[in-house]
Amino acid sequence: KAGVTQTPRYLIKTRGQQVTLSCSPISGHRSVSWYQQTPGQGLQFLFEYFSETQRNKGNFPGRFSGRQFSNSRSEMNVSTLELGDSALYLCASSLAQGTWRYTFGSGTRLTVV
Amino acid sequence: AQSVTQLGSHVSVSEGALVLLRCNYSSSVPPYLFWYVQYPNQGLQLLLKYTSAATLVKGINGFEAEFKKSETSFHLTKPSAHMSDAAEYFCAVSDISGGSNYKLTFGKGTLLTVNP
Repeated sequence: KAGVTQTPRYLIKTRGQQVTLSCSPISGHRSVSWYQQTPGQGLQFLFEYFSETQRNKGNFPGRFSGRQFSNSRSEMNVSTLELGDSALYLCASSLAQGTWRYTFGSGTRLTVV
Repeated sequence: AQSVTQLGSHVSVSEGALVLLRCNYSSSVPPYLFWYVQYPNQGLQLLLKYTSAATLVKGINGFEAEFKKSETSFHLTKPSAHMSDAAEYFCAVSDISGGSNYKLTFGKGTLLTVNP
């Protein structure tokens, strides 16, 4: 059974650009959550999607957005990139909304220069 | 708001020695608590969880943790460290304040080094 797949694994972008990260959940999983991991702030919750709807949102600026498609795949977008957006972005999927049974992907390492 | 404090950002032990990673939480309601492990350039892997059943929880790779409500602690232990245990460990608490949305709040992490 394939795990959570995040693409790309590594990304380098320039300040001011925008970026889109992709997450394919485990087959049958309908909920996708995103977390940002930085050395300074640690792991912080970005948002959760279920049935193509954002169900919960963390304390991040509006530059961070996401969406979920009918096949449960999710994308997150960061516009007007800042140096501080450099981080490991982790996606986690679960069968249903509101369950702790997450499976995490290996993440996308974003570097903003 | 819930929070998690992990005492010690870096713990170093000898192979075969006891591993003790400390975690304290704050929560206004009975929490669900978790320990995750992260190897370099990898995602998070669930080690074990406390979800209001037995207070002593056994996980994978020989790890266990004890939920102590009076101390608001959920420390992770392993009797004998192995070189393969070297990784970063995160304690987390679930947030169900938004209904059934199980957002995880993580501690800052503890990097475990195992010396031969």
